[in-house]
Amino acid sequence: DVKVTQSSRYLVKRTGEKVFLECVQDMDHENMFWYRQDPGLGLRLIYFSYDVKMKEKGDIPEGYSVSREKKERFSLILESASTNQTSMYLCASSFLDRPLSYEQYFGPGTRLTVT
Amino acid sequence: DQQVKQNSPSLSVQEGRISILNCDYTNSMFDYFLWYKKYPAEGPTFLISISSIKDKNEDGRFTVFLNKSAKHLSLHIVPSQPGDSAVYFCAENYGQNFVFGPGTRLSVLP
Repeated sequence: DVKVTQSSRYLVKRTGEKVFLECVQDMDHENMFWYRQDPGLGLRLIYFSYDVKMKEKGDIPEGYSVSREKKERFSLILESASTNQTSMYLCASSFLDRPLSYEQYFGPGTRLTVT
Repeated sequence: DQQVKQNSPSLSVQEGRISILNCDYTNSMFDYFLWYKKYPAEGPTFLISISSIKDKNEDGRFTVFLNKSAKHLSLHIVPSQPGDSAVYFCAENYGQNFVFGPGTRLSVLP
């Protein structure tokens, strides 16, 4: 069974704090993704990575950065948290090659509140 | 403007009847469309896919139909069960890119 775990289920941070969200997968997947989910907007891609130390911007990368030092781990960093980054953050992973790459496995999510 | 639209935020269906969830898209360059199901407090789980070269894919109670001329796809669940109550997202995949719709909340009433 594929497992994608996220370091926290709930997180409350203050405006201006640096925030780290960690994601670990155990299926040796090449691809890893960070999304945020907001009501009425669905899942929006922040960043993804297809290999160690590689990263690609998604649709909404502003205010975020990522780090992938090991294949199984993908971190999302909010350098200076703002209230508009209050959201549900979802990590996902998948294989690189077709036909399996379209099937993403998601973690349970981290609900981040910035006050 | 959203690239993938799910115009019904919610849908209620009686147990045993058919549930039809709809999705419209604007980008014709895609490899697959996917449906994901999400329960509260859990991440989305993959449900079913359809390739851009097909117009139908079936897996048990779930069937997805793709109408490329109308840029429309639909997910049919027959028969609907209370355990199907969840939020359903359709998602467009091209290469390593995924674009999700806003989701439809399905409630299957016993």
